[in-house]
Amino acid sequence: GENVEQHPSTLSVQEGDSAVIKCTYSDSASNYFPWYKQELGKRPQLIIDIRSNVGEKKDQRIAVTLNKTAKHFSLHITETQPEDSAVYFCAASEGYKLSFGAGTTVTVRA
Amino acid sequence: DVKVTQSSRYLVKRTGEKVFLECVQDMDHENMFWYRQDPGLGLRLIYFSYDVKMKEKGDIPEGYSVSREKKERFSLILESASTNQTSMYLCASSGDRGWNTEAFFGQGTRLTVV
Repeated sequence: GENVEQHPSTLSVQEGDSAVIKCTYSDSASNYFPWYKQELGKRPQLIIDIRSNVGEKKDQRIAVTLNKTAKHFSLHITETQPEDSAVYFCAASEGYKLSFGAGTTVTVRA
Repeated sequence: DVKVTQSSRYLVKRTGEKVFLECVQDMDHENMFWYRQDPGLGLRLIYFSYDVKMKEKGDIPEGYSVSREKKERFSLILESASTNQTSMYLCASSGDRGWNTEAFFGQGTRLTVV
């Protein structure tokens, strides 16, 4: 089955700096890679996703890149703000099954 | 606005009890999932279902079973609860069969087994 590894497990950044989270996956058949944000005490919510036929996708301050050959994908947050503090999960999917990484706790320091 | 609703926010059960966690979605989604969330381990898939009466094992199905008698409802069953099943349980649903789309999560059920 799919194995998704996520690094780092914690990330502390100064407000205004960038944050990068990296994930690798094992199943070359995976074709959908979403990122979820979970604020404290709340449910995970999708912030951006990318499909295997696309190398990069941007949405305002967040972007995701995908390298299918190397089987890794990354989340980039620019100009971080206090409201970006949360746990971020990457995931990979082939078919119905959605497998998640262990999560990255991001803290934005004012 | 998609709603995925889990029947309980908090549950406390005794070791050996049979426990039912219920999840209902109102968007006519084909796929439904049960995950457990533990610190440092992320979201681990227990079971999922892509159609009524269909179920597939996820990564950690041992000690659990599921039921999907109606499209909108997906139940997780702990046959004989044990303390190592103390966790946060998250239900999710997504739309199109055979096509990966956004998964919407319920608010979670924090289960404590004593």
